[in-house]
Order: sequence, then C-alpha cells, then structure tokens
Amino acid sequence: DSGVTQTPKHLITATGQRVTLRCSPRSGDLSVYWYQQSLDQGLQFLIQYYNGEERAKGNILERFSAQQFPDLHSELNLSSLELGDSALYFCASTGGGSGANVLTFGAGSRLTVL
Amino acid sequence: TQLLEQSPQFLSIQEGENLTVYCNSSSVFSSLQWYRQEPGEGPVLLVTVVTGGEVKKLKRLTFQFGDARKDSSLHITAAQPGDTGLYLCAGAGLGGAGSYQLTFGKGTKLSVIP
Repeated sequence: DSGVTQTPKHLITATGQRVTLRCSPRSGDLSVYWYQQSLDQGLQFLIQYYNGEERAKGNILERFSAQQFPDLHSELNLSSLELGDSALYFCASTGGGSGANVLTFGAGSRLTVL
Repeated sequence: TQLLEQSPQFLSIQEGENLTVYCNSSSVFSSLQWYRQEPGEGPVLLVTVVTGGEVKKLKRLTFQFGDARKDSSLHITAAQPGDTGLYLCAGAGLGGAGSYQLTFGKGTKLSVIP
C-alpha cells in the first residue's frame, strides 16, 4: 500500500458520459499530480495541484478538469467521454522539502469507455 | 517538448540472464528516475540519479546516468522472475521551481521466464 488511495479502481461507462475519479494523497503530502496512461502514449502528465491551488498543467483536454479540496483530496472530472479516453488514470502525491522530488503513485483507476 | 525514448520496448529472457534497457533523449534533465510498474499497480520508484556519470546499484540492478545527463541505462544481473514488470524512466526538467514535472518514457516490458 503506497498510501495514495484512488477510487474507483475500475469504471465502465458510455461515450458522452461524465465520470469523477477521486484521489486521497499520502498523509502529509500537499501536492497531487494526475497522469493518464494509455498503451500508445505511455504516462502523460495532466495536471498538478499544490495545497488546493493549480500549480501546473500538462496535456489535459478541455473536457477534463480537476480540483483539490481543503482536506487535500483531489478529483479529476472527465466529461463528454470518447472511446479514446479509455486509459489508466493515476494520481501521485509528493511531500515538501527533501521529499518533493519523490512521486508516490496510487494503484490507478481503469476507465473503459464503450 | 522533452521526449524520452526507451528501448527495447519488449524483452523476454530466461531466468539467470543479464539484460540492459536504455533511456535516451535529446534533452538535458536535471535528474532522472527509474520506476517499476506491475500489473494493476502504480509505478514504484527504484532510483533517482542526479549527477552526470553517476552510477547507482540496488542489489542486482545497476543504474547509470549519462555524462551529458541526456540518457540512462538500467542493467539487471542474473534476472529473476520477480523482476518481471514494466520499467519506466522519467526525466525531471530543468528549472520549474515549485512543480516537479516528470516526462516519462513509454517503458520496457520485461518478462523473466523461470
């Protein structure tokens, strides 16, 4: 157990639908990162939050959004889903100070869009 | 955009054999990390290399960072079935204070046959 909790573990939905993926970071970690992993693209950075504020954006589609709440958990919202959005979505967290460069990943949420 | 190319993409070897996987880029990275990912799990950090030419050993695994900090290699001696997994390299960009963004390679999928 990495200490980063992601739910749901598996999700099957239809095109055009909207889903929310949830992440609880490791205790004490202030930064949350979201990554998408697909077979052809590998792990792609989507977005980062630090203590409730957006810190960096990567290859995140406009149909996707995220937020980090005061209790530091984060949600990734995916809307108007397309077949190509089927992927593993990972959340990772980092601590401050000397631990800022060590990403701890959750087990991921596998999204299947039919 | 910084890209990391990993080779080979797939590798299937017999238990006891040695192997090397490579991670190459045209970009310079401030540091480079190696992760191992098993099915149904998130990537787990194996090592971080920071200095050009640095060599780190982790039991039977030897990691090397290129002198120019653009490439890295992972050598496994006497591979064991437990080494099976997806090996990912990830480079941290130069600068970008406050946001630790990693660029991941697509990985090398290693199968060690008993």
